[in-house]
Amino acid sequence: QLQLQESGPGLVKSSETLSLTCTVSGGSISSSTYYWACIRQPPGKGLEWIGTIYYSGSTYYNPSLKSRVTISVDTSKNQFSLKLSSVTAADTAVYYCARAGGHNSVIGGAFDIWGQGTMVTVSS
Amino acid sequence: SYELTQPPSVSVSPGQTARITCSADALPKQYAYWYQQKPGQAPVLVIYKDSERPSGIPERFSGSSSGTTVTLTISGVQAEDEADYYCQSADSSGTWVFGGGTKLTVL
Repeated sequence: QLQLQESGPGLVKSSETLSLTCTVSGGSISSSTYYWACIRQPPGKGLEWIGTIYYSGSTYYNPSLKSRVTISVDTSKNQFSLKLSSVTAADTAVYYCARAGGHNSVIGGAFDIWGQGTMVTVSS
Repeated sequence: SYELTQPPSVSVSPGQTARITCSADALPKQYAYWYQQKPGQAPVLVIYKDSERPSGIPERFSGSSSGTTVTLTISGVQAEDEADYYCQSADSSGTWVFGGGTKLTVL
C-alpha cells in the first residue's frame, strides 16, 4: 500500500527558505500514471495547491506562488522536495504531500493518497 | 485563473440529505473531485470525476454535475459525516485548484 511521508523543519525564520521532503513508500515515484503534489493549509483555512511534479521532472506551479516555489524529484530515493523561498508569516501552514492522477489515470486529476501533513511555522 | 465557489456552511439533521455545491467560473467545465476532511486529519477523496466513488467510500456519498456546477450529495447523513468538504478541479494548462471549503454541521 503506497504511503507518503513529509519531513522537514517545523520552524523556519522569516525571509528564509522552507524545505520539505516527501518520501514515497510501497510504490514507485517513477510511475507513468501519477504526478506528485504539494498542498498546504494555513491554520483554520482551506486547502491551497502549491505545485505538482512528474517523475521526469516536469513541473506545474500555482501562479500565485510560482516566483518562490521549486519542486524537484529524486527517483533514486523515491522522494520529491519542495522549496519555498522568502517565507513570511502567511506561509505558516500544514504542508501535505499527495499523489495526483495523471493523464491516463482512472481517478483523473484527483489527489487520491495524502501524507499525514507536517506543520511549518514561520517565525520572525 | 480558474476559481471554484462553495457555500461556507451547510447544516442538516441526521438522516436527512445534505447537498454541497461547487460552481466553476470556466467553460468547458473540467472534472470535479470532492474531499472530506475531519479535524486534525488529512483530506480523504470521496468522489472523483464528478460522480465516481472510490472503494471504501459509503454509498450514501454521490456526486453529480450540471453545467458549470457540481454537487456532492450525502444521503441519510450520519453524525460521523460532520466535516469540512472541499471540491477540486484541474484545468487543461496543468493548474489544480480547490474550492474554499464547506463546513457540514450535523444538527
